[in-house]
Amino acid sequence: QQQVKQSPQSLIVQKGGISIINCAYENTAFDYFPWYQQFPGKGPALLIAIRPDVSEKKEGRFTISFNKSAKQFSLHIMDSQPGDSATYFCAASRGGSEKLVFGKGTKLTVNP
Amino acid sequence: DTGVSQNPRHKITKRGQNVTFRCDPISEHNRLYWYRQTLGQGPEFLTYFQNEAQLEKSRLLSDRFSAERPKGSFSTLEIQRTEQGDSAMYLCASSVGPSQPQHFGDGTRLSIL
Repeated sequence: QQQVKQSPQSLIVQKGGISIINCAYENTAFDYFPWYQQFPGKGPALLIAIRPDVSEKKEGRFTISFNKSAKQFSLHIMDSQPGDSATYFCAASRGGSEKLVFGKGTKLTVNP
Repeated sequence: DTGVSQNPRHKITKRGQNVTFRCDPISEHNRLYWYRQTLGQGPEFLTYFQNEAQLEKSRLLSDRFSAERPKGSFSTLEIQRTEQGDSAMYLCASSVGPSQPQHFGDGTRLSIL
């Protein structure tokens, strides 16, 4: 049973465009939602994270939108750049358990 | 570089052999995690430590797998009698404390011949 569902599996956008990746979760006990960026041959790097007490968090060109009632959260990358081409993973964890549950990832390609 | 360090970066071994990986967390990080990532998938949790105590283990961590963090600093993950299905990237992460962001190393890629 997949606890965090991520879509789309792959995404192609033009330079300067907006990239949007969506995740849905099932476990209402989840209370921490990070996004990671991974380049080939590298480990995941933390981009931005949110907790359910806020509906949106912005850091530079990256924004997380969170909808608690729908059990969904999304990553928006504004002004997408070729250097943003990577695989993005959403994840979730619940208080008292340290394990992160990851989505299957979205491969983003930003064309110049 | 003061990030999470993992060694070796690549390990190729024959089926049935034992392998051991090492992880050095970020200095002062009390929590250390192991994950496994197969091609095209997200990382899957294996186990984690608070200092030297192993606090949680996944069902994925069969009897052939053992992890230690003897002095609360570096950690080792050993796989005994490796099988083809063990081929994966083994990732280590650390955090400064409970419910804090986890920072990953670049992993050890294991290939079973």
